Amino acid sequence: DQQVKQNSPSLSVQEGRISILNCDYTNSMFDYFLWYKKYPAEGPTFLISISSIKDKNEDGRFTVFLNKSAKHLSLHIVPSQPGDSAVYFCAASAVQGAQKLVFGQGTRLTINP
Amino acid sequence: SQTIHQWPATLVQPVGSPLSLECTVEGTSNPNLYWYRQAAGRGLQLLFYSVGIGQISSEVPQNLSASRPQDRQFILSSKKLLLSDSGFYLCAWDRTGLAHEQYFGPGTRLTVT
Repeated sequence: DQQVKQNSPSLSVQEGRISILNCDYTNSMFDYFLWYKKYPAEGPTFLISISSIKDKNEDGRFTVFLNKSAKHLSLHIVPSQPGDSAVYFCAASAVQGAQKLVFGQGTRLTINP
Repeated sequence: SQTIHQWPATLVQPVGSPLSLECTVEGTSNPNLYWYRQAAGRGLQLLFYSVGIGQISSEVPQNLSASRPQDRQFILSSKKLLLSDSGFYLCAWDRTGLAHEQYFGPGTRLTVT
């Protein structure tokens, strides 16, 4: 039962253009969503998050959009830079004793010069 | 500032051998601690989490176990490794009751031969 899905395993974008990574979820109890970036052989690093009471959160070149009715969120990176090439994971959590995160499968983003 | 350490960074073990991976967190007290596994080409799967010393919750039935002998130490173990235990093991922490972001260690690449 995949509660968080990233249906695109890979995405290729030209440097300077916008990268859009998508994520869908099924559990309506999720109230917080996060994006992580991961380089090979390293641990994921937290990128940006959004609470279910908001529909947009922006941090520099990164913006996350949340559409609760569609159970869909997306990460926009603009302009894309070569250093953005990595695997991006979306994650979701519902408030519990420990804040367990449910991760998607990841999308490998490649920025082409 | 907080830091999280994992060792070893890489490990090659024969089938049937024991396993012990260690994770320690510095700069915070009473963190929630997590063990994840990333199998090849897949997302992050939560294996265990702990909200305090000696308190371990298992997310999936498997060949592995976890222990938390000290507040900031989390250990992943196995008595007899299987081929299917190969993967990239990640430890993470967060603060109880605060933001949902989890912070990951550098990971351990385990290859069972």
